[in-house]
Amino acid sequence: EVQLVESGGGLVKPGGSLRLSCAASGFIFSDYSMNWVRQVPGKGLEWVSSISSGSSYMYDADSVKGRFTISRDNAKNTLYLQMNSLRADDTAVYYCARDRVRGTMVANFDYWGQGTLVTVSS
Amino acid sequence: IVMTQSPATLSVSPGERATLSCRASQGVGSNLAWYQQKPGQAPRLLIYGASTRATGIPDRFSGSGSGTDFTLTISSLQSEDFAVYYCQQCNNWPPCFGGGTKVEIK
Repeated sequence: EVQLVESGGGLVKPGGSLRLSCAASGFIFSDYSMNWVRQVPGKGLEWVSSISSGSSYMYDADSVKGRFTISRDNAKNTLYLQMNSLRADDTAVYYCARDRVRGTMVANFDYWGQGTLVTVSS
Repeated sequence: IVMTQSPATLSVSPGERATLSCRASQGVGSNLAWYQQKPGQAPRLLIYGASTRATGIPDRFSGSGSGTDFTLTISSLQSEDFAVYYCQQCNNWPPCFGGGTKVEIK
């Protein structure tokens, strides 16, 4: 069974940093591109970042470019999102999501974690 | 690319058909997905490639369209189908979602 479990969310002050983790199990993690998608409570979905299976390719939304860094450790089956210079409008539930097709980056998300809430407030 | 969904809210009685629309500001071919999200849950992939049901999705869900105009149809609404539905294009980076359609009980 595919499982994605996020952790690392919490309350942080504006300008602060946080690192999210997503522990994956039930599939060959190193075969799949992975993604972060966020959602302001009560609002819609916003794609944040994507990383290819071997970390050769990474893409970020303009809203987080230069502040957030996606990475992965295939030996540990874990996806990360390093978030720096956090702002109030980064407050959201952050989901990790698997790309549907093995070996490519099609940006269809077939499995999602339960999400971790990041709150940026003074 | 901007994805626009309509209506924002759809009131439907159980057993009735629901038709949800999604329009892209420029052509995305058939690279369109639909997701369902229930309160307090993560989204679930329903449809990809505009019309292919994801694993385990009941056949009352169907998708159609290509280019800029897409439709998600739920043929006979069940109680578990009342939720928010999002479309998402994956033809160009960045992938982006529509604003969602809430399907509520009439």
